[in-house]
Amino acid sequence: DAGVIQSPRHEVTEMGQEVTLRCKPISGHDYLFWYRQTMMRGLELLIYFNNNVPIDDSGMPEDRFSAKMPNASFSTLKIQPSEPRDSAVYFCASTADWANTEAFFGQGTRLTVV
Amino acid sequence: TQLLEQSPQFLSIQEGENLTVYCNSSSVFSSLQWYRQEPGEGPVLLVTVVTGGEVKKLKRLTFQFGDARKDSSLHITAAQPGDTGLYLCAGGSNTGKLIFGQGTTLQVKP
Repeated sequence: DAGVIQSPRHEVTEMGQEVTLRCKPISGHDYLFWYRQTMMRGLELLIYFNNNVPIDDSGMPEDRFSAKMPNASFSTLKIQPSEPRDSAVYFCASTADWANTEAFFGQGTRLTVV
Repeated sequence: TQLLEQSPQFLSIQEGENLTVYCNSSSVFSSLQWYRQEPGEGPVLLVTVVTGGEVKKLKRLTFQFGDARKDSSLHITAAQPGDTGLYLCAGGSNTGKLIFGQGTTLQVKP
């Protein structure tokens, strides 16, 4: 397996624009996580899915953020409209199951909103 | 709300020194993990501890899980410049949720 694949690696967008981040988890993994990393706040859990179903979205900052997992091999995180304070590195990670919790991370998407 | 607090946040030491990083919470976790992150990459797992009081060693790194499964420590003996990086602890629950501490940035100077 190629590991967790995220796209794009870098995204620069203007304030107010819609941004969509994409993630392909490791095949066979039951859990998918979206995290946001900043110097100030560290690695924050935004939302996680179990078998494509959102389990906990309490970390999603506000209604501008939404995440979907239409099937076991694809997830998106959308920000609409984007704001400068959304600038961060967004990571997607997957784990095999609740007992085997080693998280495998993608390389992240560095988002800059100007 | 589950929170993991790491200390110190930054550590700059000379090669050969020992150091300890702490990870504390008021919540009980089913597992506690330590990750290391290099610039431009995602975190990579170093170790998982699941039993209260458990100690694991990985070469010069020693990991301990507190008896009550609320805290953990990472001890590095004779640090080397190659140990430089961001160290993150993470707590797992039986719902599959995985949350991270803020991280400890370690710099080991030659």
